Amino acid sequence: AQSVTQLGSHVSVSEGALVLLRCNYSSSVPPYLFWYVQYPNQGLQLLLKYTSAATLVKGINGFEAEFKKSETSFHLTKPSAHMSDAAEYFCAVSGKGNKLVFGAGTILRVKS
Amino acid sequence: DTGVSQDPRHKITKRGQNVTFRCDPISEHNRLYWYRQTLGQGPEFLTYFQNEAQLEKSRLLSNRFSAERPKGSFSTLEIQRTEQGDSAMYLCASSSFLADQETQYFGPGTRLLVL
Repeated sequence: AQSVTQLGSHVSVSEGALVLLRCNYSSSVPPYLFWYVQYPNQGLQLLLKYTSAATLVKGINGFEAEFKKSETSFHLTKPSAHMSDAAEYFCAVSGKGNKLVFGAGTILRVKS
Repeated sequence: DTGVSQDPRHKITKRGQNVTFRCDPISEHNRLYWYRQTLGQGPEFLTYFQNEAQLEKSRLLSNRFSAERPKGSFSTLEIQRTEQGDSAMYLCASSSFLADQETQYFGPGTRLLVL
């Protein structure tokens, strides 16, 4: 079985500051891991994914994430936050049949 | 290439009524997924199809819920005798079994409010 824990339901950063959103996973098989972003009243947009290739994954909008097997983590980072990054972010792990198991989400607030 | 589309985007209904949602996947995507997202939570898996075959259903999918994908293209999700607890965003996603199969692309969702 798979599960995802996102630490921190709300994260607040200043514009230009580092963004760090934490994700820990549990999986009985080698995992595929994903970060999605959701803007209000919209669907989910894929930011990046890890599929057992490079452990440092680069995504859209300057985001990246590092897969650390020893820590069962897949934290999302961005060096410099922009106002347009304010949204809800979901970490997910892929299970049987490729169905996704999501964390509860982290709402990112960017202060000017 | 158009993305995943869902219709309607919003639905308000009274308790006890039936509702049906439609999802059109990305063309040639043979896997189609339904998820439900309640306020403040991440999406939860409901069911998925490979072509027209429904391969898995979550125990969240009570017998009031039924999903179909009759020709392996669009899918419908019907909820019978709606309850207030059914109020949620219903998300559809699709993926290709042949290429980039692990990546699911999501539609905009249908937000259901049961009064």
